[in-house]
Amino acid sequence: EPEVTQTPSHQVTQMGQEVILRCVPISNHLYFYWYRQILGQKVEFLVSFYNNEISEKSEIFDDQFSVERPDGSNFTLKIRSTKLEDSAMYFCASSEEVVGGPQHFGDGTRLSIL
Amino acid sequence: GQNIDQPTEMTATEGAIVQINCTYQTSGFNGLFWYQQHAGEAPTFLSYNVLDGLEEKGRFSSFLSRSKGYSYLLLKELQMKDSASYLCAVRARNNNAGNMLTFGGGTRLMVKP
Repeated sequence: EPEVTQTPSHQVTQMGQEVILRCVPISNHLYFYWYRQILGQKVEFLVSFYNNEISEKSEIFDDQFSVERPDGSNFTLKIRSTKLEDSAMYFCASSEEVVGGPQHFGDGTRLSIL
Repeated sequence: GQNIDQPTEMTATEGAIVQINCTYQTSGFNGLFWYQQHAGEAPTFLSYNVLDGLEEKGRFSSFLSRSKGYSYLLLKELQMKDSASYLCAVRARNNNAGNMLTFGGGTRLMVKP
């Protein structure tokens, strides 16, 4: 069964450094998402992406965050200057369509900011 | 905004049936999703409802009443491996026709022998 893949599985970074999290969505999916989950808390929406542009973003997704689809398969989340509170599990998800299609999640990248 | 409530924890016995409830308040409702999440792992899609009624998928069923803002996930013939958190998530259509999911805090289910 096709799946969403994310790399790396664990990233440790010094505060203030830039970090790029990578995702390969399911190949025939058109909608891509990033969510995060701070340890012990809810899954929170960050951003959705369709047709090479952001379609929706949350208050969490401020100027320090950006997303990109650099080629036909990868979807990346960049955090420009990481803060301690960015430590979380970051999940990429994709869906085939807006209406009716469930979002399928990758295994996540655990980001630890020191 | 959106508000999603589900019980924090539930305990059930192997082989039994358990019902996990979820209530929500939202505008522009466009679907309710149930995910399973084992500790330290990704949410795994289980079931979703857009229209009122019951959707059955093997041992898992999900029910929706849009007028009551209520859903439940029913797990039958419980197995030890069903011990996990069960996440209720609502999709709402906004001006941008977005597709974001808003998650509840999850219900941690413990299955005992």
